[in-house]
Amino acid sequence: DSGVTQTPKHLITATGQRVTLRCSPRSGDLSVYWYQQSLDQGLQFLIQYYNGEERAKGNILERFSAQQFPDLHSELNLSSLELGDSALYFCASSVGGRGDSPLHFGNGTRLTVT
Amino acid sequence: AQSVAQPEDQVNVAEGNPLTVKCTYSVSGNPYLFWYVQYPNRGLQFLLKYITGDNLVKGSYGFEAEFNKSQTSFHLKKPSALVSDSALYFCAVRAGLNAGNNRKLIWGLGTSLAVNP
Repeated sequence: DSGVTQTPKHLITATGQRVTLRCSPRSGDLSVYWYQQSLDQGLQFLIQYYNGEERAKGNILERFSAQQFPDLHSELNLSSLELGDSALYFCASSVGGRGDSPLHFGNGTRLTVT
Repeated sequence: AQSVAQPEDQVNVAEGNPLTVKCTYSVSGNPYLFWYVQYPNRGLQFLLKYITGDNLVKGSYGFEAEFNKSQTSFHLKKPSALVSDSALYFCAVRAGLNAGNNRKLIWGLGTSLAVNP
């Protein structure tokens, strides 16, 4: 068990809708990362937060947004959903924010857009 | 441009035989290198990392990796494969502290390892 909790495990929704994915990092970890994993594009880094502040941005679409709250949990908001957004979304956490400490991944949220 | 390559989409090996999963990279400065494993329907799990020091790094589940600076490689190895090692393996690299501000973690596309009984 990585100590990272993601909810929900599965999400099925229709195109055009908006969903929120939630992540609770491992105890003591200040950094949270969001990743998207799909068969055709592999593992894509979306965004990183460190202690409540945005630290790095990857291939995150403008329709997507995230935040990290004072209690360090994080939410990823996906809006105007398209079929191509169907994927596995992972949250990971680490102690530091510089990318030199190992990432601890949750088991993901599988999003299906119909 | 910084990049990571895992040249083999799939590796097949018989149980008990040694296994190698290849990774090559291109980053500025001295790299930070990582291996992760992903079992079906699970998140990635950290296996090992190289930042500095001995070129041979030992990690979880009997895995090890060798950093080769001249060949810019960081291949994952295990002396004797188990059926339970069958999974998806990811190599990741981050540019070192002497590379300026571009220190995002860059991921390979993954290599599927199948260990046959």
